[in-house]
Amino acid sequence: DAKTTQPPSMDCAEGRAANLPCNHSTISGNEYVYWYRQIHSQGPQYIIHGLKNNETNEMASLIITEDRKSSTLILPHATLRDTAVYYCIGLNDYKLSFGAGTTVTVRA
Amino acid sequence: DAGVIQSPRHEVTEMGQEVTLRCKPISGHDYLFWYRQTMMRGLELLIYFNNNVPIDDSGMPEDRFSAKMPNASFSTLKIQPSEPRDSAVYFCASRRTGRSYEQYFGPGTRLTVT
Repeated sequence: DAKTTQPPSMDCAEGRAANLPCNHSTISGNEYVYWYRQIHSQGPQYIIHGLKNNETNEMASLIITEDRKSSTLILPHATLRDTAVYYCIGLNDYKLSFGAGTTVTVRA
Repeated sequence: DAGVIQSPRHEVTEMGQEVTLRCKPISGHDYLFWYRQTMMRGLELLIYFNNNVPIDDSGMPEDRFSAKMPNASFSTLKIQPSEPRDSAVYFCASRRTGRSYEQYFGPGTRLTVT
């Protein structure tokens, strides 16, 4: 699985967009980029995934660079309930394994 | 849908005791996963089942850990005997065939072994 690098923390103002970067320079051609998040005292929650095209769903957008070495998760209008640890993962099978992730704090 | 249900939510036990964690996956999901999460090691996959059959148990730490899935709606993870280093949050997750990227996690069981 690809090694991913994320900033340890970031703050975001409520109602503004939150842009979460992730570097995955070792990602292989058949590995997807997944994003999960974990709100305090809850289980991880799937957000979005992509291979090489940009993706959007009801929760977020995922922008993957053309060389696939990095991606950005965008939360378009952050709310206080989006405060969580966000994990970027590169893998091509079922074995989810989270690193330290980015702790996102949304402030009113 | 009720989501993945785990019980108990919290368990405190003494070293040497048997611990049984329970999980009810989402109806219709044919894959079930058991994970363990600690500050030191992050999230680790212990074992997963497909159609009630254990497929990969390479993450199970040692023989003290065992998992069963007697039917599609119930699974257990048992630790016997428990040790302080087993203290962690244990998550159960499920998914269905064709949506390999989207695992649904339960709320977890926080296990403390003293």
